[in-house]
Amino acid sequence: DAGVIQSPRHEVTEMGQEVTLRCKPISGHDYLFWYRQTMMRGLELLIYFNNNVPIDDSGMPEDRFSAKMPNASFSTLKIQPSEPRDSAVYFCASSLSNTIYFGEGSWLTVV
Amino acid sequence: GDSVTQMEGPVTLSEEAFLTINCTYTATGYPSLFWYVQYPGEGLQLLLKATKADDKGSNKGFEATYRKETTSFHLEKGSVQVSDSAVYFCALRQVDSSYKLIFGSGTRLLVRP
Repeated sequence: DAGVIQSPRHEVTEMGQEVTLRCKPISGHDYLFWYRQTMMRGLELLIYFNNNVPIDDSGMPEDRFSAKMPNASFSTLKIQPSEPRDSAVYFCASSLSNTIYFGEGSWLTVV
Repeated sequence: GDSVTQMEGPVTLSEEAFLTINCTYTATGYPSLFWYVQYPGEGLQLLLKATKADDKGSNKGFEATYRKETTSFHLEKGSVQVSDSAVYFCALRQVDSSYKLIFGSGTRLLVRP
């Protein structure tokens, strides 16, 4: 069974550009999570969905960040406009029961 | 609120040494506890878990026991290998309406041949 699939794996973009990160959760999972990892702040939960509905977006840093889950097999995290401080690894994760499974991450660099 | 505290790294060991990475937590109720491992350039992989007091999770030679009386979930391995070099994250999850996974800060392990 394929795990959580994220794209792109690596992205380098210029400040001010729009960035869209994509995620395909494990089939059948009803929870989807977006995390951000930086050296300074470690792993932070940005937002999570249950059955495609956003449940808690209190971790989203500011209005430049938005996330959607139009169906059970796809989610996006968008940053517009991007800033250098957004450089990080963004992880998508999904779960059905007690265990959360992570994708391999999208490594974002904003220059 | 709920939180997880891990020992500071990096931890540097020689191959075949005994490993302990300390993890303590603060939480209400009875959370589930997890250890995740992150190898360089990769995502987080579930290493082991325990869902109730006195449960022992184990995988790939690693073990951790859910100790409610000391609110701890220390990771141990009897004989580490160079391939175990990675960052290890302790985490808890409340099985309530939130289902959020709360991570510790991570402990980097470096095993030398």
